[in-house]
Amino acid sequence: KNQVEQSPQSLIILEGKNCTLQCNYTVSPFSNLRWYKQDTGRGPVSLTIMTFSENTKSNGRYTATLDADTKQSSLHITASQLSDSASYICVVSGYGGSQGNLIFGKGTKLSVKP
Amino acid sequence: DGGITQSPKYLFRKEGQNVTLSCEQNLNHDAMYWYRQDPGQGLRLIYYSQIVNDFQKGDIAEGYSVSREKKESFPLTVTSAQKNPTAFYLCASRTSRDRGIGNTEAFFGQGTRLTVV
Repeated sequence: KNQVEQSPQSLIILEGKNCTLQCNYTVSPFSNLRWYKQDTGRGPVSLTIMTFSENTKSNGRYTATLDADTKQSSLHITASQLSDSASYICVVSGYGGSQGNLIFGKGTKLSVKP
Repeated sequence: DGGITQSPKYLFRKEGQNVTLSCEQNLNHDAMYWYRQDPGQGLRLIYYSQIVNDFQKGDIAEGYSVSREKKESFPLTVTSAQKNPTAFYLCASRTSRDRGIGNTEAFFGQGTRLTVV
């Protein structure tokens, strides 16, 4: 069964600290993996998208890694800010299937405290 | 501006009433999706459409209906058969074929929060 598992479920860090969120997937065949940021009560906004051949991609203070062999991805946030408080969702795109090719993790809820 | 627009932002429904949530996109995307989001859960797929006049059930389609008469529009009707409709509903769109990294991204609307009163 195609699944995307994220950890931790929630995370609290102090402003200025770094953190890393994890995503493991079993989707096959694999097309690409995306990380989204979702503020409370808003729609998700894309942070990065990576295909099979990409190992790392950065977007400002956000850096995503992908290991297609172990089917793992991580999102590293550097020098966290209060505005980073949000849910971070890992989404894997496959081919075919009943989910329209997008398979979502449940997200990691990040809280950045002053 | 190009984007995907959902309306209304907040919607209240009485017991036994049907309501329709609007989703419009001007990104020329082929595929459109409806998701339901409940607290502590990931997004769950209700319906999706890869092309005009065609749509497929997702994992939780019972109590919902959709139409895709135009490429730009994919409205979702929450019927009285949906026993627990209170949730946050998200619409998304993307190209249906991989033409390159930039074209495979899914864009989301800002969501509609539906509450049964």
